[in-house]
Amino acid sequence: QITLKESGPTLVKPTQTLTLTCTFSGFSLSTSGVGVGWIRQPPGKALEWLALIYWDDDKRYSPSLKSRLTITKDTSKNQVVLTMTNMDPVDTATYYCAHRGDGYEIANWGQGTLVTVSS
Amino acid sequence: QSALTQPASVSGSPGQSITISCTGASSDIGSYNLVSWYQQHPGKAPKLMISEVSKRPSGVSNRFSGSKSGYTASLTISGLQAEDEGDYYCCSYAGRNTYWVFGGGTKLTVL
Repeated sequence: QITLKESGPTLVKPTQTLTLTCTFSGFSLSTSGVGVGWIRQPPGKALEWLALIYWDDDKRYSPSLKSRLTITKDTSKNQVVLTMTNMDPVDTATYYCAHRGDGYEIANWGQGTLVTVSS
Repeated sequence: QSALTQPASVSGSPGQSITISCTGASSDIGSYNLVSWYQQHPGKAPKLMISEVSKRPSGVSNRFSGSKSGYTASLTISGLQAEDEGDYYCCSYAGRNTYWVFGGGTKLTVL
C-alpha cells in the first residue's frame, strides 16, 4: 500500500522560505521510472502542479514558479523536500505530495497540508 | 486561469448520466493520450478516477468512463449516485517542461 504524508509549517511570513517534506512508503525512489511531485490548491481554487523529481534525480519545475522552487530527495529516508522562496499571501494553499503512476497520472496523493502566508 | 477548460458546474438526477468536458491544446491533450481525471470531496485530497484517457484504476466503479477526441477529453458518469457529488478535475501531461496541466474543476451536483 502506497502512502504519502506532507509535513511542514502551517504559517509562514511574507518573504520567508517555505520548506515542506513528503515522507512516503510502499515504493522506493531508487526504482527506475518512479517520480514524486508537489501540487498545490489555493482555498476554493483549482489544482496547480509545482515540481517533480525522478528516481535518477532528474527534476521538473513549473515554468511560472521555477525561479522560486527547489525539489530534492533523500532515498534512504523515503523523503522528498520542496522549498519555495519569497513566500507571498497568494501562495496560501493546501500543498499535496503526489506519486506519479506509469501513465503519467497522479496515482497516489498525500492528505495535504494547509500553508497560510500572513504577517 | 487554468490551462485546460472545464465547465464550472454540471448537475444531474440520480440514475442519469452526465459528461464533463475538458478542452486543451495541441501542446497537451492534443499531443498525448495521458489525460487523467480526479474526484475531490470537500476537505479531502483528490482521488484518481481515470488514467491514460480511459483506464479505470482498480476499485473505481465502472460507472466512470473516459474518452478523448482531438483537443477535448471527456469524463462520463452513468447511473449517477449521491456519493458522486463533488469536484472533478482533468489533468494532462504536457511535455518535459510544463509536465502536468490541470483544468479549473467542475462541481457536480446530484439533484
